[in-house]
Amino acid sequence: NAGVTQTPKFQVLKTGQSMTLQCAQDMNHEYMSWYRQDPGMGLRLIHYSVGAGITDQGEVPNGYNVSRSTTEDFPLRLLSAAPSQTSVYFCASSLGTSGYNEQFFGPGTRLTVL
Amino acid sequence: SQQGEEDPQALSIQEGENATMNCSYKTSINNLQWYRQNSGRGLVHLILIRSNEREKHSGRLRVTLDTSKKSSSLLITASRAADTASYFCATDYSGGSNYKLTFGKGTLLTVNP
Repeated sequence: NAGVTQTPKFQVLKTGQSMTLQCAQDMNHEYMSWYRQDPGMGLRLIHYSVGAGITDQGEVPNGYNVSRSTTEDFPLRLLSAAPSQTSVYFCASSLGTSGYNEQFFGPGTRLTVL
Repeated sequence: SQQGEEDPQALSIQEGENATMNCSYKTSINNLQWYRQNSGRGLVHLILIRSNEREKHSGRLRVTLDTSKKSSSLLITASRAADTASYFCATDYSGGSNYKLTFGKGTLLTVNP
């Protein structure tokens, strides 16, 4: 199994550009989520999904959209990039939709917005 | 707002010593998890402790949970240079309709050879 994969690894955007961060998992996990990690802030939840067709907002959802058309994929879209979205983005998945399941993390996407 | 807060923010020890990190949280939880993050990598799950458990062991790791104080500690015994990483606690609080796992800001552990 490849686990959780994320593409791209690095990305530089100009303010106002849009882009999609890709996340895929091959473990048939129900739960998928996106976090951003900023220095001194830990990980903050952006959006999450408890199954195909079901998404919900996390702690910092503004400026981001998600969709979950398949179990495997959970892309994160930046609609109009802003410098405040410069961060490292992590996708994670877990087998079940309760807190009794460990999260598996992808390697991250480092995004810089100029 | 974030649920868990780790303490200390940074810890530097010598190889062979024990390392203790603490996590405090604000509201009632179902369980608490600890994760490790090596520099530039994703997080890796270490151990999960349920709200009705007080202590759990996994290899050189020992986790305790005190729900009355809303705190947990992670002890790494006989530390190695390879244990150098950031350590995060994550909580699944019992309120709300959907599962959300919230992370603290982490403790940066440096183990000097």
